[in-house]
Amino acid sequence: DQQVKQNSPSLSVQEGRISILNCDYTNSMFDYFLWYKKYPAEGPTFLISISSIKDKNEDGRFTVFLNKSAKHLSLHIVPSQPGDSAVYFCAASGHKAGGTSYGKLTFGQGTILTVHP
Amino acid sequence: NAGVTQTPKFQVLKTGQSMTLQCAQDMNHNSMYWYRQDPGMGLRLIYYSASEGTTDKGEVPNGYNVSRLNKREFSLRLESAAPSQTSVYFCASNPTGASYGYTFGSGTRLTVV
Repeated sequence: DQQVKQNSPSLSVQEGRISILNCDYTNSMFDYFLWYKKYPAEGPTFLISISSIKDKNEDGRFTVFLNKSAKHLSLHIVPSQPGDSAVYFCAASGHKAGGTSYGKLTFGQGTILTVHP
Repeated sequence: NAGVTQTPKFQVLKTGQSMTLQCAQDMNHNSMYWYRQDPGMGLRLIYYSASEGTTDKGEVPNGYNVSRLNKREFSLRLESAAPSQTSVYFCASNPTGASYGYTFGSGTRLTVV
């Protein structure tokens, strides 16, 4: 049972345009969400995160939006650059009240972003 | 500034062979993790160690064992490799066991034939 889903395996955009990557989750206990970027033959690197108490977090060209009622989050990259071409993973963590997640993350399947010059 | 170092980077095993994947971090992080990445599945947690001296199962622990040798090192052992364990394995660490602050290694690509 995939608790975090990225339904688009790939996305292709033109340089300078907006890239929108989507992620859905089913577990209502998730309270922290992250996006990771991964280049071939490298490990994932942290990009941006958002807590469930917020609905938006911005860092330079990257903005993450969270819609808790729809259990949906999205990553916006504006403007997109060829160097943004990579696999993007959505991840989530959460814990029962009074407990801890120990930092365990549940990942989506990933979306391959290609930005064309 | 090595971060998280994984060895080996590539390995081919025959079914039934055993091997240990090594992971070491030099950031004095408390928590360490092993994930596997498979096409269409994302990364899935195999085992984790919240702090030195503790280990616990993740989502897909069957067929694996781990050892938190000391604060720096967290190894993953396959006792009897199976083709279903063909995957890319990532070790990660974070300072406090929170959900943020992860550093991943560059991965070990394992093929079991």
